[in-house]
Amino acid sequence: EPEVTQTPSHQVTQMGQEVILRCVPISNHLYFYWYRQILGQKVEFLVSFYNNEISEKSEIFDDQFSVERPDGSNFTLKIRSTKLEDSAMYFCASSARGDYEQYFGPGTRLTVT
Amino acid sequence: QKEVEQNSGPLSVPEGAIASLNCTYSDRGSQSFFWYRQYSGKSPELIMSIYSNGDKEDGRFTAQLNKASQYVSLLIRDSQPSDSATYLCAVPLSYGQNFVFGPGTRLSVLP
Repeated sequence: EPEVTQTPSHQVTQMGQEVILRCVPISNHLYFYWYRQILGQKVEFLVSFYNNEISEKSEIFDDQFSVERPDGSNFTLKIRSTKLEDSAMYFCASSARGDYEQYFGPGTRLTVT
Repeated sequence: QKEVEQNSGPLSVPEGAIASLNCTYSDRGSQSFFWYRQYSGKSPELIMSIYSNGDKEDGRFTAQLNKASQYVSLLIRDSQPSDSATYLCAVPLSYGQNFVFGPGTRLSVLP
């Protein structure tokens, strides 16, 4: 069964460093998303991506964040200068249609020290 | 501000019982609704989707939707200890856009 994959599973970085989180969505899906979940809190939307451009972003997704689909399979989230409060699980999700089920990857645990 | 509300629990049920999980949402225009299961430290796993008023059954799971009351529920029949997890209700903000997740209800099925 097709699944969303994410790498790395755990990333430790120092405050102020740049990190890139990688995702491979399900191959025939057209809509891609990033969410994050701070420990013990709700899953929060960051950004959605369709047709090679951002279609929606939340207040969390400020200028420190960017997304890219560098080739036909990968979808990346970059945080330019990490802060302590960026420590969270980051989930990538993909969907075949805009109103359809979203399938989540296993997540990347980001720890900023 | 579009909201999705759930009782945080924990909801404890004995093995073999029916677990009932509830969710309310604020946006009357919402058309699709999703239930996810999340084990501790893992990602959300899709269980059910429901688009029309009424009941939708899939194995031991039944989703119920009442758009007039802005209410969606998930019933788990013959609950098993392996069903112990947090159940997340998710409602799309609009077509092609993000899901708004509820805070989740923690379910504990006691052997």
